[in-house]
Amino acid sequence: EADIYQTPRYLVIGTGKKITLECSQTMGHDKMYWYQQDPGMELHLIHYSYGVNSTEKGDLSSESTVSRIRTEHFPLTLESARPSHTSQYLCASNPGGGEQFFGPGTRLTVL
Amino acid sequence: SQKIEQNSEALNIQEGKTATLTCNYTNYSPAYLQWYRQDPGRGPVFLLLIRENEKEKRKERLKVTFDTTLKQSLFHITASQPADSATYLCALEAGGFKTIFGAGTRLFVKA
Repeated sequence: EADIYQTPRYLVIGTGKKITLECSQTMGHDKMYWYQQDPGMELHLIHYSYGVNSTEKGDLSSESTVSRIRTEHFPLTLESARPSHTSQYLCASNPGGGEQFFGPGTRLTVL
Repeated sequence: SQKIEQNSEALNIQEGKTATLTCNYTNYSPAYLQWYRQDPGRGPVFLLLIRENEKEKRKERLKVTFDTTLKQSLFHITASQPADSATYLCALEAGGFKTIFGAGTRLFVKA
């Protein structure tokens, strides 16, 4: 099993709250990614990073932001959560080849 | 833009049989193609990667083929077991260490 962690695993919050989803990996990978996945649907890339102080928006428009101050840490923040943000959020890292290592995911529900 | 097509209908097979899943893509041929396994509520787990100059790749009971003329990959699980029941995702290299994922095909193996 890959050493990539996400917290919390489940989160239920009210509309308008600010939240941060945590992602950490202990493998020293430079490349990290955030995906959004709805049930039975494909993963959509929302943010990625190629290393410290490098962040880019992905293919899916997202109201979230990310930061990469340390190699091992890639948190995702929603400034004001809305019901449309309800989804599963998956973090992944890549050692430089094609293979991606995924965390267990955070299931977010916004009421 | 590149699109991935995987059979959205679940595949039901008997234990011991070979399961064959299909992945078709629509545009440019990627440098490599991957297959992942995803269990409910979990992140995907990498299984196999095949490069554009490779026709076939094997790993234990798994076999992947890659036909760049047909723009298709086939994923085979031989001697299938109930523990193989999961959703299998096809993923393509999308440039710049990014990957796009299909929605997956759900496999049920009956004992």
